[in-house]
Amino acid sequence: DAGVIQSPRHEVTEMGQEVTLRCKPISGHDYLFWYRQTMMRGLELLIYFNNNVPIDDSGMPEDRFSAKMPNASFSTLKIQPSEPRDSAVYFCASSLDPPGSNLYEQYFGPGTRLTVT
Amino acid sequence: QKEVEQNSGPLSVPEGAIASLNCTYSDRGSQSFFWYRQYSGKSPELIMFIYSNGDKEDGRFTAQLNKASQYVSLLIRDSQPSDSATYLCAVQTGGFKTIFGAGTRLFVKA
Repeated sequence: DAGVIQSPRHEVTEMGQEVTLRCKPISGHDYLFWYRQTMMRGLELLIYFNNNVPIDDSGMPEDRFSAKMPNASFSTLKIQPSEPRDSAVYFCASSLDPPGSNLYEQYFGPGTRLTVT
Repeated sequence: QKEVEQNSGPLSVPEGAIASLNCTYSDRGSQSFFWYRQYSGKSPELIMFIYSNGDKEDGRFTAQLNKASQYVSLLIRDSQPSDSATYLCAVQTGGFKTIFGAGTRLFVKA
């Protein structure tokens, strides 16, 4: 299995531009999570999906952020317009079992390092 | 008070020693506790999880949980330079939201 795949690995963009991050979860995993990691705030959950449906988006910082999961093998996180404070590493993770299950384990992708200038 | 607190370190231990990493959490309804290891520039990887009070051992790693004290720890025995990384404590709250601590940087000196 290739694991969780994210693209691009690095993204540099100017303030005000739209940014789209992509994720392919591990095949068969019904849960997909988007995280953001910064030095100041650590690793924060932004949103997670179950069977392509958003379950908890309380971590999405503001309306400039949106996430979709059109099918079981693809998800996007979009920032529009981007701002310098959005600079961070964005991780996608997937799991087979639900949060709260004794078998719950998240597998993280390699991350996308976003720099907004 | 942060929901999950860890000492940021760095924690420096000599090779072969025991490294002790600590974490406290605020939500008494939390049920599941995880330790992730993250090498610089890499993604977090799960190394241990624990649900019940007491100790859980896996190779050189032992996780300890005390729900009454809202405290979870990770012991690494016979520390190796390859263990040098940031260790993230993660707590799944009663609402099934996973909250990560800021991490403790561990440095194992050869």
